[in-house]
Amino acid sequence: SSELTQDPAVSVALGQTVRITCQGDSLRSYYASWYQQKPGQAPVLVIYGKNNRPSGIPDRFSGSSSGNTASLTITGAQAEDEADYYCNSRDSSGNHHVVFGGGTKLTVL
Amino acid sequence: QVQLQESGPGLVKPSQTLSLTCTVSGGSISSGSYYWSWIRQPAGKGLEWIGRIYTSGSTNYNPSLKSRVTISVDTSKNQFSLKLSSVTAADTAVYYCARERLGGSYFDYWGQGTLVTVSS
Repeated sequence: SSELTQDPAVSVALGQTVRITCQGDSLRSYYASWYQQKPGQAPVLVIYGKNNRPSGIPDRFSGSSSGNTASLTITGAQAEDEADYYCNSRDSSGNHHVVFGGGTKLTVL
Repeated sequence: QVQLQESGPGLVKPSQTLSLTCTVSGGSISSGSYYWSWIRQPAGKGLEWIGRIYTSGSTNYNPSLKSRVTISVDTSKNQFSLKLSSVTAADTAVYYCARERLGGSYFDYWGQGTLVTVSS
């Protein structure tokens, strides 16, 4: 079982704002990173650190964190944002291992 | 532009050892700023971190797989490799290699992934 918990599915109307959350004890100490995965493709990093976007990632993607919950916000969701989203961070054991959330399927209506 | 490419058999028999190699291009695997990781994804399921290696050869493994996993690095070929022993059908998955930023635990470059099926 994953130490990071995500809602299995979320939907958003085209052009609206959606927040995808990730919960876990380790998030009190470490930042989450976020990945977008479309069918048949490798995951793509969209947010890392406090709120950093790799080159080429639209600025409608942003990240935040509070307590044991990290959030990925898409402001003005586009049809091409429909995908699976995964969070990851370090685990809470202190062993410097990596854990992933179970993923959230985002549907853009 | 860094690129990673997985290679290896797409079919492995139960109880045998799965072996994959990741070739890194566009950057040196000897860079001190990164770990080099393996991650897998069964069909229709989420991502599972398998383990990582540093250029020095230091490794960390997922505790749930640790007894069966070996990750090694060949800096002369700019490659790192995965061996997973005693495989079962539950090990059938797409296997990705990825670059992990040191200190950040985030994966900024991924291979395209390779499907490994465990079947007799």
